[in-house]
Amino acid sequence: SAVISQKPSRDICQRGTSLTIQCQVDSQVTMMFWYRQQPGQSLTLIATANQGSEATYESGFVIDKFPISRPNLTFSTLTVSNMSPEDSSIYLCSVGTPNGGGYTFGSGTRLTVV
Amino acid sequence: GQQLNQSPQSMFIQEGEDVSMNCTSSSIFNTWLWYKQDPGEGPVLLIALYKAGELTSNGRLTAQFGITRKDSFLNISASIPSDVGIYFCAGQLIAGANSKLTFGKGITLSVRP
Repeated sequence: SAVISQKPSRDICQRGTSLTIQCQVDSQVTMMFWYRQQPGQSLTLIATANQGSEATYESGFVIDKFPISRPNLTFSTLTVSNMSPEDSSIYLCSVGTPNGGGYTFGSGTRLTVV
Repeated sequence: GQQLNQSPQSMFIQEGEDVSMNCTSSSIFNTWLWYKQDPGEGPVLLIALYKAGELTSNGRLTAQFGITRKDSFLNISASIPSDVGIYFCAGQLIAGANSKLTFGKGITLSVRP
């Protein structure tokens, strides 16, 4: 399965600032997925990033708050903009497995907004 | 939207015991997946199920895809301390690398030595 490198692994940020999270995959993939995991909660899909087109956002998530870039088939970034304490979460990128069964996840970015 | 239900939220077992976890949905999923998440890490895929009624094993883990396509269970036999973690079920409406997942809320498993 693909190996995903995600960084930063954690950060503490001031409210009102923005943080860009990077996700690098060791193989080319069509879709990359960004998830949020709030403290003690499950994973919620933020958006799906397809190379060469705008990301598709899930209900409750908007591009102005979570802009995504997908410049090539191995890389994507998620920006958390104008952060508030409610944005404190783990953010995870993910890609589908080649045989179609499930996803591989990065190790996540633990964000704390103060 | 689709929801996957996992309960209880936490389970406590003794080392060596078997444990079973259920996942149910009001909607049909065509792929069921079980993940484990360790602290500070992303979820790791344990077992993927593709056909209704399918029973699949991975070492001490066994999972089944319910016949109705609305449920799945995961069994862990002879638990060991490293089984501690959060176990998530997930479903896909459409099997494949480009189809999104819906996750359950997870079950936190504690294993007493």
